Amino acid sequence: DAKTTQPTSMDCAEGRAANLPCNHSTISGNEYVYWYRQIHSQGPQYIIHGLKNNETNEMASLIITEDRKSSTLILPHATLRDTAVYYCIVRVEGTGGFKTIFGAGTRLFVKA
Amino acid sequence: GAVVSQHPSWVICKSGTSVKIECRSLDFQATTMFWYRQFPKQSLMLMATSNEGSKATYEQGVEKDKFLINHASLTLSTLTVTSAHPEDSSFYICSARDWGPLEQYFGPGTRLTVT
Repeated sequence: DAKTTQPTSMDCAEGRAANLPCNHSTISGNEYVYWYRQIHSQGPQYIIHGLKNNETNEMASLIITEDRKSSTLILPHATLRDTAVYYCIVRVEGTGGFKTIFGAGTRLFVKA
Repeated sequence: GAVVSQHPSWVICKSGTSVKIECRSLDFQATTMFWYRQFPKQSLMLMATSNEGSKATYEQGVEKDKFLINHASLTLSTLTVTSAHPEDSSFYICSARDWGPLEQYFGPGTRLTVT
C-alpha cells in the first residue's frame, strides 16, 4: 500500500507557483520523501527528494514539516509543460533493497 | 541524469503470442531493475523486482509464469509476456537502480496492445 495521500487534482495558472501537498503521517525516521511526475504516456521523471531538511533544485523546492508527517512540492513558476501527474512517494524497503510504490498522485493542470 | 531505454516503444500482437520487452541502462550498471504496469488513467503498479543474476521477486497477484523476467546482465532486463491476451494490453514501464545512490531511473515505457 502507498503510504501517502495527495489531492486528486489541482489547477494552477501559468507563471504562478504550484504548491502540491502530500501527507505521510506514518513515515519512519529513515525514510525519504520522493517526488516524481509523469507526463502523459511517458515514464515517470524524478523531481526531488528529501529526508527532513527543505530541498531545492533547478526544478522545484520541497518543504517538509518538522514532524515529517507532510510535505509540499513547490514549482515556483509553473508552465504549461508542467501539466502532469505528480507522485509523492515514501521509500519502502523490500527484498533486495528498496522498491518504489506509487499512489494515485495529483493531476496538476496548468492553465494559460 | 542516468538514462534507461526500452524497446520497443510500442507493440501490437495477436492473442496467444508472446512479446518480449527490453529494458537497458545506458550509462550505468543497474544492480536492480523494476517492472511496472499502468492501465489507462491509473497509477503505476509494481509487478516485480529483479536483481542481476538472480530470480525476480514478484508482487502479490502477479503471475510469474505469465510475465517472465530475465536480468542476465547489469545493463539489460527483459520482460516476456507469454500467451498474451487482450487484458494484458497496458503500458509497461521499467526502472533501474544504480549501485550507490538512492535513485531509481525510469524508462519511457512500452505500450502493448493485444488484439
